[in-house]
Amino acid sequence: RKEVEQDPGPFNVPEGATVAFNCTYSNSASQSFFWYRQDCRKEPKLLMSVYSSGNEDGRFTAQLNRASQYISLLIRDSKLSDSATYLCVVPRGWTDKLIFGTGTRLQVFP
Amino acid sequence: EAGVAQSPRYKIIEKRQSVAFWCNPISGHATLYWYQQILGQGPKLLIQFQNNGVVDDSQLPKDRFSAERLKGVDSTLKIQPAKLEDSAVYLCASSLVPGVNTEAFFGQGTRLTVV
Repeated sequence: RKEVEQDPGPFNVPEGATVAFNCTYSNSASQSFFWYRQDCRKEPKLLMSVYSSGNEDGRFTAQLNRASQYISLLIRDSKLSDSATYLCVVPRGWTDKLIFGTGTRLQVFP
Repeated sequence: EAGVAQSPRYKIIEKRQSVAFWCNPISGHATLYWYQQILGQGPKLLIQFQNNGVVDDSQLPKDRFSAERLKGVDSTLKIQPAKLEDSAVYLCASSLVPGVNTEAFFGQGTRLTVV
């Protein structure tokens, strides 16, 4: 089992739709989790952090399920500008070695 | 605040040649990462420095890749000799200190093409 697994997509959704991505992780000791956004040919940038059960920021909600070892990202009222790849990141160990998933590609169409 | 600086932005070399990438992290950031991102994949950690010491290089192909971070600030990543499969974007990232709230900031990357 990979340390961090994501469905690569692509997810093609119309504007205004709600879309959710899941990410599973194998290290039960991980305490914090991150969602990064990466636009085409750009560097990854932090979107949200998740430390406890979840986090909400406007149209974005991240939730953590420790028992099942997955985190999710929910995007409500999708915008064209949300089109990007969403990377799940799980730090491993005390050194905070950041392990990235393969990313889930989202394409929002008019 | 200045971000993570990387150079060059693009590099094309022939296989078996050598190449070097440079990274200047955000001022005061103790942790520096080098990642390799192959098209269509997530970033793969090559090496992680804490100040000028290596804390993880388990995924660095040490027969051809080397990295250093002299004085705990700038870092260079070298490939010698390059192979076709090394074609990728090499991302440098830095973070303040390890911890629960660690956010890594990425540079724009160096896009390497080996022909």
